[in-house]
Amino acid sequence: EDQVTQSPEALRLQEGESSSLNCSYTVSGLRGLFWYRQDPGKGPEFLFTLYSAGEEKEKERLKATLTKKESFLHITAPKPEDSATYLCAVLGNTDKLIFGTGTRLQVFP
Amino acid sequence: DGGITQSPKYLFRKEGQNVTLSCEQNLNHDAMYWYRQDPGQGLRLIYYSQIVNDFQKGDIAEGYSVSREKKESFPLTVTSAQKNPTAFYLCASSIDLFWDRGRDYGYTFGSGTRLTVV
Repeated sequence: EDQVTQSPEALRLQEGESSSLNCSYTVSGLRGLFWYRQDPGKGPEFLFTLYSAGEEKEKERLKATLTKKESFLHITAPKPEDSATYLCAVLGNTDKLIFGTGTRLQVFP
Repeated sequence: DGGITQSPKYLFRKEGQNVTLSCEQNLNHDAMYWYRQDPGQGLRLIYYSQIVNDFQKGDIAEGYSVSREKKESFPLTVTSAQKNPTAFYLCASSIDLFWDRGRDYGYTFGSGTRLTVV
């Protein structure tokens, strides 16, 4: 059964304090791993798609990496506006996107 | 700007009542999806549709119904058979159901409808 586990559930950072969010997955035939950002009361906003182990993608202060078992979302020198819930999802042979429960990030000035 | 519009933003349902959540997209996407989000749980797939007049059950379809009469529209009805309907409902779309590797895109989500049973 396809499964996604995200850790930690919640993360509090001081502004400028870099850290990483983890997404561990098991999936039959990985076709893509996705990262989304979700603000309270809003729909998820697409960030990245990763397709194969070793792939990396960057966007401003965010960098996503992928191995055969997990993905990391690295946040470099975060700012308060980076506070949100970050969701990871995988697409396998079932054609259904399977989501993790998310990591709630709070960045304090 | 293209996007997905969900309405209403907040909806209150009485016991035994059916309610319909609207989802409209102007992205010219073929595939559309309905997810349910509960605190502490990942998004769960209710129904999805690849083309007009065709849709498939997701993992938690019981108590829900959908229609896809137009490419742009994918309304979700929460029936009285759904015993615990209070949740945040999200509609999404994608270019097509079968991913083409190398196209760096993901699902586009609407802003959601919060349904509460009163």
